[in-house]
Amino acid sequence: GDSVTQMEGPVTLSEEAFLTINCTYTATGYPSLFWYVQYPGEGLQLLLKATKADDKGSNKGFEATYRKETTSFHLEKGSVQVSDSAVYFCALSPRPGGGADGLTFGKGTHLIIQP
Amino acid sequence: DGGITQSPKYLFRKEGQNVTLSCEQNLNHDAMYWYRQDPGQGLRLIYYSQIVNDFQKGDIAEGYSVSREKKESFPLTVTSAQKNPTAFYLCASSSRGLSGGYEQFFGPGTRLTVL
Repeated sequence: GDSVTQMEGPVTLSEEAFLTINCTYTATGYPSLFWYVQYPGEGLQLLLKATKADDKGSNKGFEATYRKETTSFHLEKGSVQVSDSAVYFCALSPRPGGGADGLTFGKGTHLIIQP
Repeated sequence: DGGITQSPKYLFRKEGQNVTLSCEQNLNHDAMYWYRQDPGQGLRLIYYSQIVNDFQKGDIAEGYSVSREKKESFPLTVTSAQKNPTAFYLCASSSRGLSGGYEQFFGPGTRLTVL
């Protein structure tokens, strides 16, 4: 079945550092890929998405590129802030463009940004 | 404001009791979902419903039941058959967007503790 693997945390960085959170996936066909962010005690918020190979999703300074050749969707940000501290989840939908089926999530990466 | 409401935020129950978690959305979304989140486990799909009066089992449906009598409501019952019910439960909804793809929106979650 489908699966998503994320780098394990916690990841601790200083403010203004460069961020990379690795995400690789296993799926048949042409899945859609997502990054969600969860702040303490809250639900998930969609951060960005990509629905086909070579698409780049971006939002709030975060970027991720859908690489089918390496089955990856790594999350990057050039300069992190304390407010970026949260848990980040990589997820996939098995249908191109994302379908009405449920998502498959990675285990999440806890990011801690120190001032 | 449009969104997803889950109530209550915290719920305590004695072992052996059934409990129902509420999820309501006013986004006019067709599809709704229930996920379970455990520390270090990411989110796992319990049940989902693509249309009123229809629902499908997810990866971990055993010990849970749902109903979808109204488009805006998708309650989840945690039965006494669920062996380890203490967890954070997240409800989500989605609908086909202008681009043809789906995007899931999440509620704030209910933390269930079984004593």
